[in-house]
Amino acid sequence: DAKTTQPTSMDCAEGRAANLPCNHSTISGNEYVYWYRQIHSQGPQYIIHGLKNNETNEMASLIITEDRKSSTLILPHATLRDTAVYYCIVRVATNFGNEKLTFGTGTRLTIIP
Amino acid sequence: DVKVTQSSRYLVKRTGEKVFLECVQDMDHENMFWYRQDPGLGLRLIYFSYDVKMKEKGDIPEGYSVSREKKERFSLILESASTNQTSMYLCASSDGGTAAYYGYTFGSGTRLTVV
Repeated sequence: DAKTTQPTSMDCAEGRAANLPCNHSTISGNEYVYWYRQIHSQGPQYIIHGLKNNETNEMASLIITEDRKSSTLILPHATLRDTAVYYCIVRVATNFGNEKLTFGTGTRLTIIP
Repeated sequence: DVKVTQSSRYLVKRTGEKVFLECVQDMDHENMFWYRQDPGLGLRLIYFSYDVKMKEKGDIPEGYSVSREKKERFSLILESASTNQTSMYLCASSDGGTAAYYGYTFGSGTRLTVV
């Protein structure tokens, strides 16, 4: 699996857009970029994933660079409830759903009131 | 809307005890996983299962075993608990048809303390 690099921590003002970067310079052509987050004392929660096109859902947007060596997760209007650890993972996606996810230490995002 | 349930939120056990951590999912998922989470180390995969009665070792299986007798239930067993197994344990499940679109579903975790 491709290794990912994320900043250890970030702050963002409430109501502003939170932009979380991730570097994955060794990503392979068939590997997807996944984002999860973990709110304190809970299990990780799936947010979004993409291959090469930008993606958007009700939670966030994912911007992947054209060379796919990095990506940015965007929370458009951060709230206090978005305070969490955010994990960027790259992995081949299959129709079996049995691929192992390797979590790093992620980015601890703190939303400031 | 409960999907992955771990039997205990907090557990305290003595060194040498046999410990069972239970996980149940109500989504009819084929795949189930056990992770442990420690400060500074992130989540590490212990064991996973693709189907009933099937199991595969993850990255740190030593000191653990698993059981999957029914599709919805995946048990993690600490044969003889030790203090270095004090950790947060997280169970997850995924479905072959939807994991690529909805990812994995995690339980809330069991915080185990071995004294």
